[in-house]
Amino acid sequence: QKEVEQDPGPLSVPEGAIVSLNCTYSNSAFQYFMWYRQYSRKGPELLMYTYSSGNKEDGRFTAQVDKSSKYISLFIRDSQPSDSATYLCAMSADTGGFKTIFGAGTRLFVKA
Amino acid sequence: GAVVSQHPSRVICKSGTSVKIECRSLDFQATTMFWYRQFPKQSLMLMATSNEGSKATYEQGVEKDKFLINHASLTLSTLTVTSAHPEDSSFYICSANGAGNTIYFGEGSWLTVV
Repeated sequence: QKEVEQDPGPLSVPEGAIVSLNCTYSNSAFQYFMWYRQYSRKGPELLMYTYSSGNKEDGRFTAQVDKSSKYISLFIRDSQPSDSATYLCAMSADTGGFKTIFGAGTRLFVKA
Repeated sequence: GAVVSQHPSRVICKSGTSVKIECRSLDFQATTMFWYRQFPKQSLMLMATSNEGSKATYEQGVEKDKFLINHASLTLSTLTVTSAHPEDSSFYICSANGAGNTIYFGEGSWLTVV
């Protein structure tokens, strides 16, 4: 079993839809949770960073962490064609970025 | 916010030659940087952890003599692919820790070995 599971998609939605991206994990020691957006042929860009459980909102993006279920989500409201990218979840047990584990990434297509 | 810069963004080299990729933290100091490799439509694969002033730590299966890492200052780490072969063609990405213990990535470097 992989430490982090993420459906690679692709996920195709119409413009304006609410997108839900998810990851599950097995290591209960993970405390730091991140979502990255990666456009084709570019480096990943940090979208959201969450420590421990709870919700965090930034504009159209909401990150949720449920440590009891070992499940994290990223919601994108009013999705736009420019949101089309690969979304990677990442998590680690300690500070310093050591042993950060990445999901496989979900490819998202938002159709105009 | 934190910015990590990579150079070159794209490089083509002949088989058997060496190529160097630079990773710089532009507005913060990074004692530790990370080097990843990414094949098309696949996730990031950690190659090594670059430590300022000491030897890099390589992940299992990564040849340290082939992928030379030097972290000579708090803002610069370099990855040198030695005696490159076509199978080394890939997207190489570096990252560094910014404020709040988050990881910031460089823009990536496309290496094509012909």
